Amino acid sequence: SQELEQSPQSLIVQEGKNLTINCTSSKTLYGLYWYKQKYGEGLIFLMMLQKGGEEKSHEKITAKLDEKKQQSSLHITASQPSHAGIYLCGADNSYSGAGSYQLTFGKGTKLSVIP
Amino acid sequence: ETGVTQSPTHLIKTRGQQVTLRCSSQSGHNTVSWYQQALGQGPQFIFQYYREEENGRGNFPPRFSGLQFPNYSSELNVNALELDDSALYLCASSLANRGFNEQFFGPGTRLTVL
Repeated sequence: SQELEQSPQSLIVQEGKNLTINCTSSKTLYGLYWYKQKYGEGLIFLMMLQKGGEEKSHEKITAKLDEKKQQSSLHITASQPSHAGIYLCGADNSYSGAGSYQLTFGKGTKLSVIP
Repeated sequence: ETGVTQSPTHLIKTRGQQVTLRCSSQSGHNTVSWYQQALGQGPQFIFQYYREEENGRGNFPPRFSGLQFPNYSSELNVNALELDDSALYLCASSLANRGFNEQFFGPGTRLTVL
C-alpha cells in the first residue's frame, strides 16, 4: 500500500518568512493533493498535481511535483498568521472504475506563524 | 464553506455502544467518502458510497458500516465502540468522473469514546 511521509512534523515561523513542507511517497504518485486543515475542522482543498515537474501557484502558495513523481513540496512565501494550520498531502490510492478516487494521506505538518 | 454538512458536531459515547453519524453531500454530488482522523494523524479512508452502493473499503472491521440514500446523503454506523474509535470523522462528497475530481470535506464529527 502507498505511504506518504511529510516533513517537518511541525514548523514555527515568524510572520513574513518563507517556508517549505515536503511530502514523499513510497510509490509513484499519479495524483497528489494538498489540503489545509484548521485544528479539528474539515479539509480545504489547495491544489492538485499530476504531471512530473508540474508546478502550481495560488496567491502565496506554490506546490511542485518532482520529475520522478515521488516527491512534492509546498512553499509559502511571506507567511501570514492566516497560513497557520495543518497541511496535509494526499494521494490517489485506488480507483474501482466508479465513484471517486480514494485518498491516502500523510500525517500532516502543523504550521504556526508568529506575528 | 463547501456545502457538505455533518451531524452531530460532537458526540460522547461509552465502550460497547453504537453510534450513527450523518453527512449531507454537496448539491449535485453522487459520491460520499468517509475518513477517520485520529489525533495527530492524517485522515484514513474508511469506505466510499457511489449511487447507494459501497464502492471501496479501507482497512476497517465490519462493525463500521454505512448507507447512502437516494438523495446521496450518507450515514456511518459504528457498532461495539472501542476506545480507539475516538477520532474526528470526516465525510467528503464529490461528483464521480474518470480522472481528477475534487473531494469537498465537511467540518467533521468529533467522537469521544469513554
